[in-house]
Amino acid sequence: GDSVTQMEGPVTLSEEAFLTINCTYTATGYPSLFWYVQYPGEGLQLLLKATKADDKGSNKGFEATYRKETTSFHLEKGSVQVSDSAVYFCALSPLSGGYNKLIFGAGTRLAVHP
Amino acid sequence: ETGVTQTPRHLVMGMTNKKSLKCEQHLGHNAMYWYKQSAKKPLELMFVYNFKEQTENNSVPSRFSPECPNSSHLFLHLHTLQPEDSALYLCASSQETVRRTDTQYFGPGTRLTVL
Repeated sequence: GDSVTQMEGPVTLSEEAFLTINCTYTATGYPSLFWYVQYPGEGLQLLLKATKADDKGSNKGFEATYRKETTSFHLEKGSVQVSDSAVYFCALSPLSGGYNKLIFGAGTRLAVHP
Repeated sequence: ETGVTQTPRHLVMGMTNKKSLKCEQHLGHNAMYWYKQSAKKPLELMFVYNFKEQTENNSVPSRFSPECPNSSHLFLHLHTLQPEDSALYLCASSQETVRRTDTQYFGPGTRLTVL
């Protein structure tokens, strides 16, 4: 079935370091792909999305490119800040199932230190 | 962000209690969802409603009973829960369910503890 695999955390970085969080997926066809972020004590917020191959989603300095050939949607940021500390979830919305269904990865916790 | 609100934010209940979680969305959406977020497990979709009609029950035990009186409100009625049901329960909404590119907007969640 459809699934999402994320790198395990926690990821610990110093401020201004480069961030990569890996995400790969298994699905038929071309699902829509999403990154959500969950700050402490809050619900999930959409960070960015891509709906077709080679699309690049970007927001708040974060970027991810939909790579069909490697079935990946890795999240990157050139210079992280302490305020980026949160849990990041990769998700897909598959073509099958008949409705807008999100399948999430396990989440990757990011801790950024000054 | 106040587009999707959830009450209460925290709830402690015994196994014999009956309680309800409430979700309200102010985004004009037609689809609403309940998710369960347990420690060390991926988010699990529980129920989906589209235009007040339930379109998905993801094999959820009957001790969880959803209710969607209109497109803006969603409830999750709880009774005779087990300690393993302790989790963060998240509500979400989207424009509708048929467009797979639609963004789902989440509420802050209700932290449930079952004693």
